[in-house]
Order: sequence, then C-alpha cells, then structure tokens
Amino acid sequence: GAVVSQHPSRVICKSGTSVKIECRSLDFQATTMFWYRQFPKQSLMLMATSNEGSKATYEQGVEKDKFLINHASLTLSTLTVTSAHPEDSSFYICSAKEAGDNEQFFGPGTRLTVL
Amino acid sequence: GEDVEQSLFLSVREGDSSVINCTYTDSSSTYLYWYKQEPGAGLQLLTYIFSNMDMKQDQRLTVLLNKKDKHLSLRIADTQTGDSAIYFCAEMTTGGFKTIFGAGTRLFVKA
Repeated sequence: GAVVSQHPSRVICKSGTSVKIECRSLDFQATTMFWYRQFPKQSLMLMATSNEGSKATYEQGVEKDKFLINHASLTLSTLTVTSAHPEDSSFYICSAKEAGDNEQFFGPGTRLTVL
Repeated sequence: GEDVEQSLFLSVREGDSSVINCTYTDSSSTYLYWYKQEPGAGLQLLTYIFSNMDMKQDQRLTVLLNKKDKHLSLRIADTQTGDSAIYFCAEMTTGGFKTIFGAGTRLFVKA
C-alpha cells in the first residue's frame, strides 16, 4: 500500500524557535496533502489542506502566519511552526491522497514539545 | 455543520465481539471510514463503506450503515488484545475535499 513518512518523529524545541516538519509520499504522487493536529485523547483537528503548487487552505481559527505550509512538489509538503510556544506542543499528523482517489494515507505523526 | 460523534470508551473480553458505534450529520457524505490508531502512531485505515451500501464485511470486521438514521457501526469479531487501540469514525464530505473525524473510541481488551 501507499506509504507516507514524516520527519522528524519527535522534536523538542525552545520557546520562540521555529520547527519544520516534513511529510513525504514515498510511492505515489500526492496531489493533496492534509495537516492535522491531535491533542492527547482527542480527535484529529484538520489544520489545512494543500494542493501541489497552490497556497494552502487553512481551517477557521488556524493562523496561517504561524503554521506555514509549503507543498512545492508532488511528494513533499512541509509544515513550519514559527515562533513556537508551549501551547503549540501537540501531535502533528499529515495525510496525502492522489487525484481522484478517495483514500487518504496517513503519516506516523510528529510529536512536538515546546519547552 | 458536519459533525461525527462516537462513544469514548469500550471494554470487552478477549474472544468476544466488539461493536463501536458512530453517528454523523452530513446526509450527503459519500464515504464513511474506520481508522485505527495505536499509541503514539498515525492512523491506519481499517475499512470504508460507500454511502449506497448498508453492509461490508472484511475478515473479522463488519461495517453496518444505516443511512436513514445516519448511524455507522464497526463490529470486530473474536477481539484480541492486539485490537486495543483508538478507533476513529470519519466521513468524507460532499466533494471529497474534507474528512471529518469523530473523537475516537478507546477500545480496551481484557485478557
């Protein structure tokens, strides 16, 4: 089946620094990638949808200047958490789908801890 | 707006059947999904059902869809300790642009 990877799997950073998380589709062309955030014991909250070569569409309440998303190629999307604060600590999960496919393939997630 | 609801916990004994229930609000949903999440991991698609079906069986998994009541269930036969995880119900909204997830049901399997 299709594989999506994320890097890093865990990251700890100091408050005020920026962190970049990568999401890669390894064996298919991801025309659309989604970024989710998951708090402990809660569901996934969709943050943004990105289509290759276009600007990301952010969900209501998600700051686009804080969570920068780039989807420059069909196999890579990046999420940069800028000026991270402790409240940004969370589990970030990406997913990817091909054009015309109804199935999303999820990455393993990145646990971000901001001290 | 779209909403998906699930009960938060379910506890069963090993070997019994588990039934996880879900309700959704978008009557024009095209696909409904069940995902499994193990601790510290991403989501694994278990099965899905197209909205014009009322049942789908895949080995130990049976999905039932009652479109009139907007109710979806996942039955796991012969539940094993390895089935302990969080199970998310999700619906794909009209147009296929978004998938809305429920809060997840934490399944505990007692040996």
